[in-house]
Amino acid sequence: QQPVQSPQAVILREGEDAVINCSSSKALYSVHWYRQKHGEAPVFLMILLKGGEQKGHDKISASFNEKKQQSSLYLTASQLSYSGTYFCGTRAGGGADGLTFGKGTHLIIQP
Amino acid sequence: KAGVTQTPRYLIKTRGQQVTLSCSPISGHRSVSWYQQTPGQGLQFLFEYFSETQRNKGNFPGRFSGRQFSNSRSEMNVSTLELGDSALYLCASSFDSTSSYEQYFGPGTRLTVT
Repeated sequence: QQPVQSPQAVILREGEDAVINCSSSKALYSVHWYRQKHGEAPVFLMILLKGGEQKGHDKISASFNEKKQQSSLYLTASQLSYSGTYFCGTRAGGGADGLTFGKGTHLIIQP
Repeated sequence: KAGVTQTPRYLIKTRGQQVTLSCSPISGHRSVSWYQQTPGQGLQFLFEYFSETQRNKGNFPGRFSGRQFSNSRSEMNVSTLELGDSALYLCASSFDSTSSYEQYFGPGTRLTVT
C-alpha cells in the first residue's frame, strides 16, 4: 500500500517555507525523499531510517516519526530551484519490502 | 562516475507486441529496481533485483518480467502490450537492496503503445 502525501500541491513565493507530509499505514523501516523536475528523473534528497532521526542539508530537512509512521520534509526560505514534484518512498517489512512511492506533491515557487 | 543509463529512451509499439527495456546501473551498484510512472498513478514499483535474484515484486500482472545479469545490468520485458502500458519506465540502482541505501534513477524509457 502506497504512502499518502499531503498536500497534493502548493504554491509559494520565493523565500517562504513549505512542509510536505508522508504517512503510511504500515510499520516503516525507512523513508526516502526525492524531487523530480518536469521531464527529468527523480533526484535523491535524503533517507531517514527507523529511529526517528532528523536529517538536513542546506535549507531542506526531514523528520521521521516512527510511532506515527509519518515523515515530513521541510523546505525553508524556498528558492526558485526548489520547484518540482516531491515524492516520498517508504520501505516496510523490516526494510525488506520494495520501495513504494506516494503520488507526489507538486511544489511551485513563484518569484 | 557515470550515472544510470537506460536504452532505448523512446519506444513506440503496437498493442499485442512485446518490448524489452535495458538498464545499466552505476558502476559498483548491485541492486536494480524498476518503476512505472504515469500521470494518474505516479511512481509504481515493478520489481527489484540484487545479485541476479529478484528480491521484491510489485502488484503488476505476469506480462511484466525482468532479469538481472552477472554484471548487474538489468532488462525488463512486457509481453502482449496494452494501451495502458504506455508510461515512463524508470530504473534505479543502489549499492545494495537494503533499506539504508539510496537509489539513483536513470532518465527513463518513454513507451507509447498504439
